[in-house]
Amino acid sequence: AQSVSQHNHHVILSEAASLELGCNYSYGGTVNLFWYVQYPGQHLQLLLKYFSGDPLVKGIKGFEAEFIKSKFSFNLRKPSVQWSDTAEYFCAVNAKAAGNKLTFGGGTRVLVKP
Amino acid sequence: DAGVTQSPTHLIKTRGQQVTLRCSPKSGHDTVSWYQQALGQGPQFIFQYYEEEERQRGNFPDRFSGHQFPNYSSELNVNALLLGDSALYLCASSQPLTSGTGELFFGEGSRLTVL
Repeated sequence: AQSVSQHNHHVILSEAASLELGCNYSYGGTVNLFWYVQYPGQHLQLLLKYFSGDPLVKGIKGFEAEFIKSKFSFNLRKPSVQWSDTAEYFCAVNAKAAGNKLTFGGGTRVLVKP
Repeated sequence: DAGVTQSPTHLIKTRGQQVTLRCSPKSGHDTVSWYQQALGQGPQFIFQYYEEEERQRGNFPDRFSGHQFPNYSSELNVNALLLGDSALYLCASSQPLTSGTGELFFGEGSRLTVL
């Protein structure tokens, strides 16, 4: 069975700072990788996804993530955060052999101070 | 185009009671999955329905059951509620398994409090 771990539970940073959230998964087969974001009071929304091809993927709102297969990692980055990026971020893995079932990490709560 | 809609948004039950949560998938989606998100944790997969049948199930007891209707909407039922069932229950829909890419679209959830 696959599992996902996110390195930080809470991150606090100031506007314009750079953000990097770590995500590692354990699964030996082919995977699809996702980052979802949950803004306060809103539903989970997809930030970006990786299925195949270029391991550096770009998502909405200036976010990007890099898939490093040898490290089983899919870290999320944003060069310069804004106050509106305050949210909880979830990494998720879908083993291609497991249909559409997603396994989520525990989430990282990000607070951006204005 | 309506996204995934869930009802009710909030509800309070007492231990031992039963609850039914409802979900309508995004237009064009035929697969519905249910997740439980306890406070401070990531969503945990409960089960998935496709063609009115349960296709996959996570590590949840039989007290958790579901149903999918011909119009692809779905219900989640939880019997004999425990305090630990208090959580946000998320419904997610996706495209047909044969053509989809694993991307899920989530509703806003039903927050269940068990007293």
